[in-house]
Amino acid sequence: AQKVTQAQTEISVVEKEDVTLDCVYETRDTTYYLFWYKQPPSGELVFLIRRNSFDEQNEISGRYSWNFQKSTSSFNFTITASQVVDSAVYFCALSEAVTGNQFYFGTGTSLTVIP
Amino acid sequence: DVKVTQSSRYLVKRTGEKVFLECVQDMDHENMFWYRQDPGLGLRLIYFSYDVKMKEKGDIPEGYSVSREKKERFSLILESASTNQTSMYLCASSSPRYYGYTFGSGTRLTVV
Repeated sequence: AQKVTQAQTEISVVEKEDVTLDCVYETRDTTYYLFWYKQPPSGELVFLIRRNSFDEQNEISGRYSWNFQKSTSSFNFTITASQVVDSAVYFCALSEAVTGNQFYFGTGTSLTVIP
Repeated sequence: DVKVTQSSRYLVKRTGEKVFLECVQDMDHENMFWYRQDPGLGLRLIYFSYDVKMKEKGDIPEGYSVSREKKERFSLILESASTNQTSMYLCASSSPRYYGYTFGSGTRLTVV
């Protein structure tokens, strides 16, 4: 069975601080995809990143970076120099490549950036 | 701009009513999904569909049914709404050609 754990339920940081959101996953499949989504107060989930299980290179996109480590089954997300607009709920998700159709979501981390 | 559109952002229904939540996508995606989102529980899959007239139960199908008569439309039906179905409902679509979901804006349903 697949499982995604986001142990941090809520995080508060002061603007301009760096913050890391943790994601740990479980799967018996060797080929899988990992995702991060952002859900702002408006409610719509916004796609942030997709990684496949064969690509452990870290990725940076502006103030966002992702650290994928298969050895620890983790896919952590760091926001550098946080801004108020980063306040949202962030979800980590896992999908098997075999089916490619169903996601397993973590319970989400609610991030509040205080001005 | 590709979209998944949910017909209502907010709904208030009475216990026992039959409720229809509509979802339409314009991306010609094969797969469509209904999730509900509750605090502390994340997103839980209710039903999904890989093709027209086809449906599969997700993790929490009890009390719900679905309909997919056309490729672009996937409806979630609450046959007899109950207060424990008060929740945020999210529709999503995807294609086997691309491993990622596109989500709608969600429908916040309150059953009183």
